[in-house]
Amino acid sequence: QTVVTQEPSFSVSPGGTVTLTCGLSSGSVYLSYYPSWYQQTPGQAPRTLIYNTNTRSSGVPDRFSGSMLGNKAALTITGAQADDESDYYCVLYMGSGIWVFGGGTKVTVL
Amino acid sequence: QLQLQESGPGLVKPSETLSLTCTVSVASISSSNYYWGWIRQPPGKGLEWIGSIYYSGSTYYNPSLKSRVTVSVDTSKNQFSLKLNSVTAADTAVYFCASANIVATKYYFDYWGQGTLVTVSS
Repeated sequence: QTVVTQEPSFSVSPGGTVTLTCGLSSGSVYLSYYPSWYQQTPGQAPRTLIYNTNTRSSGVPDRFSGSMLGNKAALTITGAQADDESDYYCVLYMGSGIWVFGGGTKVTVL
Repeated sequence: QLQLQESGPGLVKPSETLSLTCTVSVASISSSNYYWGWIRQPPGKGLEWIGSIYYSGSTYYNPSLKSRVTVSVDTSKNQFSLKLNSVTAADTAVYFCASANIVATKYYFDYWGQGTLVTVSS
């Protein structure tokens, strides 16, 4: 069973920077897993932020950026704002039509 | 912009079959650019991929649910559907349908339905 790991929670100050990571319980995340990131606020459908590791989805502010950090995918929020307070999910494409979601990271801005 | 809308019963009895339909608007479900997927979220928990289907009918399922899940497509109605049998309270969740963009090696969920809450209870 493939397990995608994310930090359960992070706190960031307004205007600050936070980096969330996305790993695999066994092994490394590779570009060929096409990491994508989603933002979700309570009661809403997820919103696509980043796909293919580092491509911002249409309309996503440039304070959100995706990258690889060592053997993990990463999402960085630079200059955090109050409305960035959300849950963030990493998703990896494992090939053959199969995706795996991470457990999500709850980001608090305070 | 592609639109998706889930529909189906909001209450299902334990041991019965959960059935949901996702209606796709603006884009054709027969497009080779997409897989069509189902994702769920139990109350207060994270997102879980359930399964996906290609317009050709090829299906792909989460191994943990594979024995109970069927995803099908109806190209004439521009819809795809989810059936989950032998449900228990653990299947209570908000169920989302989504389009998975596979153009130019992207492989991500680009559009989502609003989600529908399905409660399993007698």
